Amino acid sequence: DAGVIQSPRHEVTEMGQEVTLRCKPISGHNSLFWYRQTMMRGLELLIYFNNNVPIDDSGMPEDRFSAKMPNASFSTLKIQPSEPRDSAVYFCASRPTQTSYEQYFGPGTRLTVT
Amino acid sequence: SQKIEQNSEALNIQEGKTATLTCNYTNYSPAYLQWYRQDPGRGPVFLLLIRENEKEKRKERLKVTFDTTLKQSLFHITASQPADSATYLCALDINDYKLSFGAGTTVTVRA
Repeated sequence: DAGVIQSPRHEVTEMGQEVTLRCKPISGHNSLFWYRQTMMRGLELLIYFNNNVPIDDSGMPEDRFSAKMPNASFSTLKIQPSEPRDSAVYFCASRPTQTSYEQYFGPGTRLTVT
Repeated sequence: SQKIEQNSEALNIQEGKTATLTCNYTNYSPAYLQWYRQDPGRGPVFLLLIRENEKEKRKERLKVTFDTTLKQSLFHITASQPADSATYLCALDINDYKLSFGAGTTVTVRA
């Protein structure tokens, strides 16, 4: 299996622009997570999907952030409008079932907002 | 408030020695604890999971202990190698899907 796939790997954008990050989970995994990692705050959960349904979005920092999972093999995280404080590495992770606890992370997208 | 502390930000050891990393937590009652490895520019990789009723778990040169009374987990890398150099993260379950991660300890193994 190719593992969790994320694109783009790097994104540089100007403040105010819309940013869309993409994720393809491992085939057959029915749980998907979006995380953000910064030096100051470490690894934080933004949103959790189970069977394509958002279950917990309490970690989404503001209304500027939104996430979708239209099908089992694709998810997006959108930031509109972006701000410099959104600069971070964003990870997508998937998990086989609700009773499997280990998570499989993608390579991440490094976002820089200038 | 809930807190996870990993002993030190960095650990430098000689090849062949045992590295011991600590994960302490307060105001949590985790049913299990996980350890992940993260290399620069990559996502975390799952290593081991230990449940609250397990005292010790091993995988090759890795050993994890879990003491729910002390609220502490120890992560050991025996016979360390330069390839073990990475950042190691502990993670506690908040519920059946949510993990809370520590800040990580960066291990450097000198040849």
